[in-house]
Amino acid sequence: EAGVTQFPSHSVIEKGQTVTLRCDPISGHDNLYWYRRVMGKEIKFLLHFVKESKQDESGMPNNRFLAERTGGTYSTLKVQPAELEDSGVYFCASSRSGGSSYNEQFFGPGTRLTVL
Amino acid sequence: GNSVTQMEGPVTLSEEAFLTINCTYTATGYPSLFWYVQYPGEGLQLLLKATKADDKGSNKGFEATYRKETTSFHLEKGSVQVSDSAVYFCALSDPVTGGGNKLTFGTGTQLKVEL
Repeated sequence: EAGVTQFPSHSVIEKGQTVTLRCDPISGHDNLYWYRRVMGKEIKFLLHFVKESKQDESGMPNNRFLAERTGGTYSTLKVQPAELEDSGVYFCASSRSGGSSYNEQFFGPGTRLTVL
Repeated sequence: GNSVTQMEGPVTLSEEAFLTINCTYTATGYPSLFWYVQYPGEGLQLLLKATKADDKGSNKGFEATYRKETTSFHLEKGSVQVSDSAVYFCALSDPVTGGGNKLTFGTGTQLKVEL
């Protein structure tokens, strides 16, 4: 079973440009999460999809960030326009649905975004 | 809101030394607690978990006990190896108040084990 994949692994852009990050979850996982770690601080939740619907987007920092999950498969996270404080590592995770206990989240390797 | 506090790193140990990484939490509900590990160049992996008070999670020689009275979930290993060098994250999930199993993480503790 393939794991969660993210593309690109590293992106360097200038302030004001646009960047789109992609996440491919494990096949069959309805839940998809985006997290971000900024400058060695804690990893913070951004948003959660259940299939193609946004279940919780309370962690999205502002309207420069747009996440989509068309068809309930892969997801994209677009930052437009990028600012210096958006630099960090963006993680994607996916998990199954159902059951009464916690469903383990499987993480991708992350995309390191550097805004100059 | 929910929060996780873990000891600052980096932590440098000699091989076969005893490891403790402290983690305390604040939660309004009854969270599940986790330790995740990130090896160089890889994504986060679930190391162990505990879902209720006094539960002990264990895996690969690591263990942590859910202490409700001290709101702690300290990670321990009796004898570390060079291959344990990684960043360790303490986290919680509080489906009642947090919703959807989203994770709240600590800042991470980098561990370096030397020969």
